[in-house]
Amino acid sequence: DGGITQSPKYLFRKEGQNVTLSCEQNLNHDAMYWYRQDPGQGLRLIYYSQIVNDFQKGDIAEGYSVSREKKESFPLTVTSAQKNPTAFYLCASSILQGRGNTIYFGEGSWLTVV
Amino acid sequence: AQSVAQPEDQVNVAEGNPLTVKCTYSVSGNPYLFWYVQYPNRGLQFLLKYITGDNLVKGSYGFEAEFNKSQTSFHLKKPSALVSDSALYFCAVRPLLYSGGYQKVTFGTGTKLQVIP
Repeated sequence: DGGITQSPKYLFRKEGQNVTLSCEQNLNHDAMYWYRQDPGQGLRLIYYSQIVNDFQKGDIAEGYSVSREKKESFPLTVTSAQKNPTAFYLCASSILQGRGNTIYFGEGSWLTVV
Repeated sequence: AQSVAQPEDQVNVAEGNPLTVKCTYSVSGNPYLFWYVQYPNRGLQFLLKYITGDNLVKGSYGFEAEFNKSQTSFHLKKPSALVSDSALYFCAVRPLLYSGGYQKVTFGTGTKLQVIP
């Protein structure tokens, strides 16, 4: 089935650690996104990428990093510089911006600091 | 700056009754509008979108939404609610005009729908 796969579903991070969330899509979408979801705040954009080897900061990029070495993959690293990383993280993808494009989401990953 | 307002944090409706989840928006020019649904611990699922044309848009699971340009609203509706419709609903907007480059999609803060048996 076509879709967006995020892993792991649950991840625990110790203070000072970097952790990486995986996102793979087989929809042949050019654009990929990472959002953070906190209760009552909706979705906030962390990073987006419209093409391989290129990505742009979103609204809350500090403390996060990404790479886009393959069209299908857009991993997110939560670094130790992110002071409040506990949240639900959503990866998404779409065709390139144009008429009627829709963003499709993965199932999300929970990150908890312990 | 564009924005989306979902004025109700929670909407309660009895099973079988019609439901409405409200959304108003602000964007430069004409809008693309979207509705998504999220079940607990899951990602967002696309329900429907408005681009141009008919102001009444039909989507998945019997949902529909009405675009009202003068009121800058895009309310989600369903004629008869099911218990399984209980979830978190998000409205989103981006500008219609495409001039190349990234066009930001802005999401509302979500409305929790509770359908009471």
